[in-house]
Amino acid sequence: DIQMTQSPSSLSASVGDRVTITCRASQRISSYLNWYQHKPGKAPKLLIYAASSLQSGVPSRFSGSGSGTDFTLTITSLQPEDFATYYCQQSYSNPFFGPGTKVDIK
Amino acid sequence: QITLKESGPTLVKPTQTLTLTCTFSGFSLSTSGVGVGWIRQPPGKALEWLALIYWDDDKRYSPSLKSRLTITKDTAKNQVVLTMTNMDPVDTATYFCAHRQHQTNNQNWFDPWGQGTLVTVSS
Repeated sequence: DIQMTQSPSSLSASVGDRVTITCRASQRISSYLNWYQHKPGKAPKLLIYAASSLQSGVPSRFSGSGSGTDFTLTITSLQPEDFATYYCQQSYSNPFFGPGTKVDIK
Repeated sequence: QITLKESGPTLVKPTQTLTLTCTFSGFSLSTSGVGVGWIRQPPGKALEWLALIYWDDDKRYSPSLKSRLTITKDTAKNQVVLTMTNMDPVDTATYFCAHRQHQTNNQNWFDPWGQGTLVTVSS
């Protein structure tokens, strides 16, 4: 099975900051990588699919990049509504999720 | 518009079997490439994929839970059912179902998700 890791596990940031979250797969998965945002008590929300495609309706401050084993989610200017936990998920084989990165207020 | 909603017991006893139903609208599970997955989140922990069923009745399970899980579909009722045997307090979690979207290049993702249902395992 392909395992996913994320770093950091948590970070504190301020509104307006640029935030970068890294996801790594245990083997090459081409661009079969998705990113989700999850807030407590809510359904997870798809942000990025196929490593770099922005889901319809998602603000353009979110972007994804990477291929192979290393991937990045970037938020260019953090907004108050962006404080949440972010998960990567590989879709190359069984859809395992990463352990998540919690973004909270500094 | 695609919607999904999970239903089932909120409390189960240890060793019992959990049965959860995902009722959906806005798509058909007989359409090529479509699937429905189950994912859970224990309190304070990460999302964990459990099972996935495809339009052609192909089924996939998390290896760590495979012996305890069964996923089935009722295409006519627009429902997917997940059963998990031998429940334990560590299985306390919010359980989500989600629509598996796909593209012809095999890219696929979960969108949208149901609101989730909290299941507590306690005697």
